[in-house]
Amino acid sequence: AQSVTQLDSHVSVSEGTPVLLRCNYSSSYSPSLFWYVQHPNKGLQLLLKYTSAATLVKGINGFEAEFKKSETSFHLTKPSAHMSDAAEYFCVVSATGNQFYFGTGTSLTVIP
Amino acid sequence: KAGVTQTPRYLIKTRGQQVTLSCSPISGHRSVSWYQQTPGQGLQFLFEYFSETQRNKGNFPGRFSGRQFSNSRSEMNVSTLELGDSALYLCASSARSSSGNTIYFGEGSWLTVV
Repeated sequence: AQSVTQLDSHVSVSEGTPVLLRCNYSSSYSPSLFWYVQHPNKGLQLLLKYTSAATLVKGINGFEAEFKKSETSFHLTKPSAHMSDAAEYFCVVSATGNQFYFGTGTSLTVIP
Repeated sequence: KAGVTQTPRYLIKTRGQQVTLSCSPISGHRSVSWYQQTPGQGLQFLFEYFSETQRNKGNFPGRFSGRQFSNSRSEMNVSTLELGDSALYLCASSARSSSGNTIYFGEGSWLTVV
């Protein structure tokens, strides 16, 4: 069975400070893990993905995530938040390649 | 390469009517999946099609149906619309690669049922 838990439904940071969005997963197989971002009234955009290569994955817009098997985590980080980062973020797991399981989302607010 | 294209982007329907939404996947992608997104329920998986066959199905009533054509384009249909069907409907396409499948989303179709 596969599932994803996003530990925070809302995260608020000040512009220029680090961002940490937390995601834990459960998978019976070696999973592929993804982070997507959704800006208001838009579809989901792929930020980054992990597929059993390097455990530290770099994505677009300065985001990165680290796969930690021992902790079953795939937290998303960014060193310095920008106003344009304000959006909804989804952590996604897939083990079979054709079924994707979504977390409930984390809403990121960036305070100027 | 063009992304996933969904039409129409916005539509308003009356309760009891039916609606058809269209999705054109990224060129070369043979898998198309549909999701419903609402503020209360979040993202929910509707169904997935691959090579014109429904491969996976979520937990939605039979009023929700879909199909895929030989060119991989897909449509979903909702019959006898209810107020609760108001949502953002997202289409996603994917293709197998050496690094595994990745799904790419369209901008969505906003459906309002009045």
